[in-house]
Amino acid sequence: DAGITQSPRHKVTETGTPVTLRCHQTENHRYMYWYRQDPGHGLRLIHYSYGVKDTDKGEVSDGYSVSRSKTEDFLLTLESATSSQTSVYFCAISESHQGNYGYTFGSGTRLTVV
Amino acid sequence: QQQVKQSPQSLIVQKGGISIINCAYENTAFDYFPWYQQFPGKGPALLIAIRPDVSEKKEGRFTISFNKSAKQFSLHIMDSQPGDSATYFCAAYYFRDDKIIFGKGTRLHILP
Repeated sequence: DAGITQSPRHKVTETGTPVTLRCHQTENHRYMYWYRQDPGHGLRLIHYSYGVKDTDKGEVSDGYSVSRSKTEDFLLTLESATSSQTSVYFCAISESHQGNYGYTFGSGTRLTVV
Repeated sequence: QQQVKQSPQSLIVQKGGISIINCAYENTAFDYFPWYQQFPGKGPALLIAIRPDVSEKKEGRFTISFNKSAKQFSLHIMDSQPGDSATYFCAAYYFRDDKIIFGKGTRLHILP
């Protein structure tokens, strides 16, 4: 497995405050992804990275920014948190596992904006 | 734009029965079709996957059936067990862009 660690696992924050979520991987994977998961919407791509300092927007990128200064770390920042950003956030990398290709996900960060 | 449509949204099956989840895709350029299983409080995990040049793939009690002409694929769980209760996502994968499009998920509950 890729060894993906997300931190924090849970966070409660106030509306209008900045929040940064961290994703750390240990196996030098080039591609990394941030998703949010909400009931009825499934998994929606926020941003992704295809290398150090190389990032691009996903389908729900408004209100979010990302940075990748090292291969192993991909940070997601909510510049000014809103209640609509209450969600579970997942980081992912792409890899093959026993001949099956796909993404490996972290355990998620549950973010509540009050 | 939703390119992978998944049904049903939720499914209840008796223990020992067959669970069937269906997906349809629109873009014929996809290279690979994985399925993910997610338990509460966990991230989705890759369960089984199939290439579009194969009509069926079986791993234990899990089988993917693929119909390229109809642009449809399905997951069958044989002899469903309470431990299979989870949310399942189908997906379609572009290797070139390393991009996966997910269905919206099916919440499966197996009655003991």
